[in-house]
Amino acid sequence: GDSVTQMEGPVTLSEEAFLTINCTYTATGYPSLFWYVQYPGEGLQLLLKATKADDKGSNKGFEATYRKETTSFHLEKGSVQVSDSAVYFCALSIASNFGNEKLTFGTGTRLTIIP
Amino acid sequence: EAGVAQSPRYKIIEKRQSVAFWCNPISGHATLYWYQQILGQGPKLLIQFQNNGVVDDSQLPKDRFSAERLKGVDSTLKIQPAKLEDSAVYLCASSLEGLVRDTQYFGPGTRLTVL
Repeated sequence: GDSVTQMEGPVTLSEEAFLTINCTYTATGYPSLFWYVQYPGEGLQLLLKATKADDKGSNKGFEATYRKETTSFHLEKGSVQVSDSAVYFCALSIASNFGNEKLTFGTGTRLTIIP
Repeated sequence: EAGVAQSPRYKIIEKRQSVAFWCNPISGHATLYWYQQILGQGPKLLIQFQNNGVVDDSQLPKDRFSAERLKGVDSTLKIQPAKLEDSAVYLCASSLEGLVRDTQYFGPGTRLTVL
């Protein structure tokens, strides 16, 4: 079935370090890809998305490029801040047998940024 | 704009008891989702409503879980009787029409502990 595999955490970085969180997917069709973020004490929120191959999603200094050839959607940021500390979820959306667009999430990667 | 509201935020019950969660989606959103997020895992879709009709309940354990969305607005999710493995965070989300282009907005979740 459709699935998402993402880098296991936790990940701890110093402020201003470069961040990469790996995400690969398996899907029978052509999914849309997402990164969601969950800040401490808050609900999940969409960080960025890409709906077709070679699309780049970006938001708040984060970027991810939809790579069909490597079935990947790695999250990157050039210089992380303490406020980026959160749990990051990679997800895909594809039409299900019921005709709805269904989100399938990875297990999440906990990121901690130390000053 | 008010976000997705959920209550209660926390609930502790003993196994075999029943419990109900409530969700109020963003005004005007036709699509409502219930997810189960077990510790260390990504959210898993339990049920999706389009207005007051069920679109996908393929992963809902129907022997003990039930959900309804009367009048196409608020929704309740019930577990009866609860098992230890039901301990999780139950997330409600809503989107405009359930399409890929429509962002899913998540509530803060209800953390259920079954003893």
